[in-house]
Amino acid sequence: GESVGLHLPTLSVQEGDNSIINCAYSNSASDYFIWYKQESGKGPQFIIDIRSNMDKRQGQRVTVLLNKTVKHLSLQIAATQPGDSAVYFCAENSGYSTLTFGKGTMLLVSP
Amino acid sequence: NAGVTQTPKFRVLKTGQSMTLLCAQDMNHEYMYWYRQDPGMGLRLIHYSVGEGTTAKGEVPDGYNVSRLKKQNFLLGLESAAPSQTSVYFCASSYSRGTGTGELFFGEGSRLTVL
Repeated sequence: GESVGLHLPTLSVQEGDNSIINCAYSNSASDYFIWYKQESGKGPQFIIDIRSNMDKRQGQRVTVLLNKTVKHLSLQIAATQPGDSAVYFCAENSGYSTLTFGKGTMLLVSP
Repeated sequence: NAGVTQTPKFRVLKTGQSMTLLCAQDMNHEYMYWYRQDPGMGLRLIHYSVGEGTTAKGEVPDGYNVSRLKKQNFLLGLESAAPSQTSVYFCASSYSRGTGTGELFFGEGSRLTVL
């Protein structure tokens, strides 16, 4: 059969629901984290970032939560819309000049 | 403001052929990167550059070479293409936060197929 690795974790929600996408990061020394959105056929786009001296940061309809104790990052999207359907990646600045990306989560929003 | 521009957007190669992907950024960023994206593998760093005239290896550098002769351009070369290099390639650039890289700005991608 197909390798599990070919399939992205998928979150399916209804329009108007709140969405929570989770990410575990690897390096306890990472000091900066970013969430990206990638629509089909396009490059990743910046959504929101957070530094390690913060636990929470809010943007327009999005909130990022950082739990350094368990090395966990989450992205909350309020009132999810069909246009939010995309693959979402978390990234950490674990090396001085590079970002390490997670494998991504696909968000599917049904009207 | 064009941001990050990649050329070409699509290319089909035969095994053993060579080609160069060009990345140009107009944001005066110090750092530039080449990633490849394969299904289920996320974005993997091939090579990167922290300034004009400098390059460094990333996670998957084998089979690729890069050059950063001008600050605004970062070239990715495949000397002898292999089917395993079939992928979507993304260029990105970023500024320095002083304590590390800032957010990356990505191009639209270059889809390469090696037959």
